[in-house]
Amino acid sequence: AVRLTQSPSSFSASTGDRVTITCRASQGISSYLAWYQQKPGMAPKLLIYAASTLQNGVPSRFSGSGSGTDFTLTISCLQSEDFATYFCQQYFSYPFTFGPGTKVDFK
Amino acid sequence: QVQLVESGGGLVKPGGSLRLSCAASGFTFSDYYLDWIRQAPGEGLEWISHISSSGTTINYADSVKGRFTISRDNARNSLYLQMNSLRAEDTGVYYCARVLRSGGDAFDLWGRGTMVTVSS
Repeated sequence: AVRLTQSPSSFSASTGDRVTITCRASQGISSYLAWYQQKPGMAPKLLIYAASTLQNGVPSRFSGSGSGTDFTLTISCLQSEDFATYFCQQYFSYPFTFGPGTKVDFK
Repeated sequence: QVQLVESGGGLVKPGGSLRLSCAASGFTFSDYYLDWIRQAPGEGLEWISHISSSGTTINYADSVKGRFTISRDNARNSLYLQMNSLRAEDTGVYYCARVLRSGGDAFDLWGRGTMVTVSS
């Protein structure tokens, strides 16, 4: 199975900050990577798919990049509603796998 | 309203069974692949099963293979997960999720989840 690691596992930030989260795959997965946001008690929400395609309705301050094994999610200007946990997911091969998550909390 | 609503969770003893359901509305159910994903308390997300739009292609995670069965009824706009031989490690919130129609197998619509607790 493809293993995904994320860094950092958590960090504190302030509104207006530029935030970067990385996801690394244990083998090449082309661009078959998605990013999700999850808030406590809620289901995950799709932000980015195909590594860099913004899902409909997601604010443009979110962006994704990368291919192969190294991927990045960037939030250009953190808003209060962005404090959440972020997961990457590969769909290159079964079993689909998720990264362990990166929790972004308020500094 | 476009939504998925899970039901059927609850408390069950180890070795017991549960059947989860996921009711879809607001979209053409038979056009979409669907998956089950779970999340243990305080933990990350674990993909567990996939079914194609017609039900002819099915995949399982090794952790549930042979114990869980995914199925769907396109006439009833419903997805199911039959869970047998349940273990403590199966405890968690179970989500059904719709696969994006273009752009690969990302999940663009999720239900709110149903909680399964396996404990004696």
